[in-house]
Amino acid sequence: DAGVTQSPTHLIKTRGQHVTLRCSPISGHKSVSWYQQVLGQGPQFIFQYYEKEERGRGNFPDRFSARQFPNYSSELNVNALLLGDSALYLCASSIQDEQYFGPGTRLTVT
Amino acid sequence: GIQVEQSPPDLILQEGANSTLRCNFSDSVNNLQWFHQNPWGQLINLFYIPSGTKQNGRLSATTVATERYSLLYISSSQTTDSGVYFCAVEQWSSNTGKLIFGQGTTLQVKP
Repeated sequence: DAGVTQSPTHLIKTRGQHVTLRCSPISGHKSVSWYQQVLGQGPQFIFQYYEKEERGRGNFPDRFSARQFPNYSSELNVNALLLGDSALYLCASSIQDEQYFGPGTRLTVT
Repeated sequence: GIQVEQSPPDLILQEGANSTLRCNFSDSVNNLQWFHQNPWGQLINLFYIPSGTKQNGRLSATTVATERYSLLYISSSQTTDSGVYFCAVEQWSSNTGKLIFGQGTTLQVKP
């Protein structure tokens, strides 16, 4: 079975731009979570979606938004990019409590 | 919110040695997972272990929920075990799927 997939793998953006990151969960998983990991730290929770509804939100500004589609895939959108948004963005899917992570999207903001 | 502390922060071993990584958490949890993050950033699931003991090859883990800690044991370490090990928990009252990660233990296994 395919694992969690994310696209793109790497991305370079300029301050003030907008970015969209994509995630496809493991087949049969209805829940998708997003995390941000900056260098040297553990991942920080951004959102969880279950059955297309937002189930949880972390301490991130409104520039961060997400949605989940009928096929359970998800997009994370970040507006007005700041240098501090440079990080590894991880997506995880789950069928119950255990979360499985994708390979991540490495975003660099210049 | 719940606090998660991992120790030690860094660990250097010779190949073949055994090690124990610890994760302390400050409140009741309904999810506890151990991960290994490889050099490319991929988080590999090691254990889902909110309580009890599990073993998988050279790795084993024990969570004592009543005392709010979990241990990850690595036996006969290999160079491929190098990387960062994370403990992550979901607080019992959360119901949001929010995993709180510790700061990680960076393991280096020397040949």
